[in-house]
Amino acid sequence: DAKTTQPNSMESNEEEPVHLPCNHSTISGTDYIHWYRQLPSQGPEYVIHGLTSNVNNRMASLAIAEDRKSSTLILHRATLRDAAVYYCILRGTTSGTYKYIFGTGTRLKVLA
Amino acid sequence: DVKVTQSSRYLVKRTGEKVFLECVQDMDHENMFWYRQDPGLGLRLIYFSYDVKMKEKGDIPEGYSVSREKKERFSLILESASTNQTSMYLCASNEGGGGGRSQPQHFGDGTRLSIL
Repeated sequence: DAKTTQPNSMESNEEEPVHLPCNHSTISGTDYIHWYRQLPSQGPEYVIHGLTSNVNNRMASLAIAEDRKSSTLILHRATLRDAAVYYCILRGTTSGTYKYIFGTGTRLKVLA
Repeated sequence: DVKVTQSSRYLVKRTGEKVFLECVQDMDHENMFWYRQDPGLGLRLIYFSYDVKMKEKGDIPEGYSVSREKKERFSLILESASTNQTSMYLCASNEGGGGGRSQPQHFGDGTRLSIL
């Protein structure tokens, strides 16, 4: 199964942009790249996903490298409520199953 | 909005007990999932179901079973609870079929289970 690699932690100042990187060098052509975040004492929350093109929604932007071996989640203006663990996940079919492989994610700390 | 509801936020049970964790989703999703989350290990898939009465093992099914008698409900069963099953348990759901891999999973808020 293709895996992802993320930094263990990052810090950002409030109201500044945050770029959260993810490497997935063994991604297959049919794998979607999903991002989730998990706030304390809550289940993971969907943020954004994409396949090849960059994607934008109300929460964030997803920039996908041309070779798809890496991607970056962009929070345009970090707030204190964005402090969470962010997971980059590849979503594909493996042996007929639909699996997510969650790593340990990046813990984002937002400084006031 | 999709809602995935887990029956308990906190649960304390004793070693050897049979434990039932319940999960209900309200969006008519085909796929439902059970994960456990442990510090330093991330989320690990226990079982998932892609239709009523259908199930597949995830990465760590040992010591667990599941039941899906109705589309909206997916139950995780600890046949004989042990202390190493103390963990946060998360249920999720999403659309099935060919769109399953491109559609996000929606998670409940988790059940923190302690086995004494």
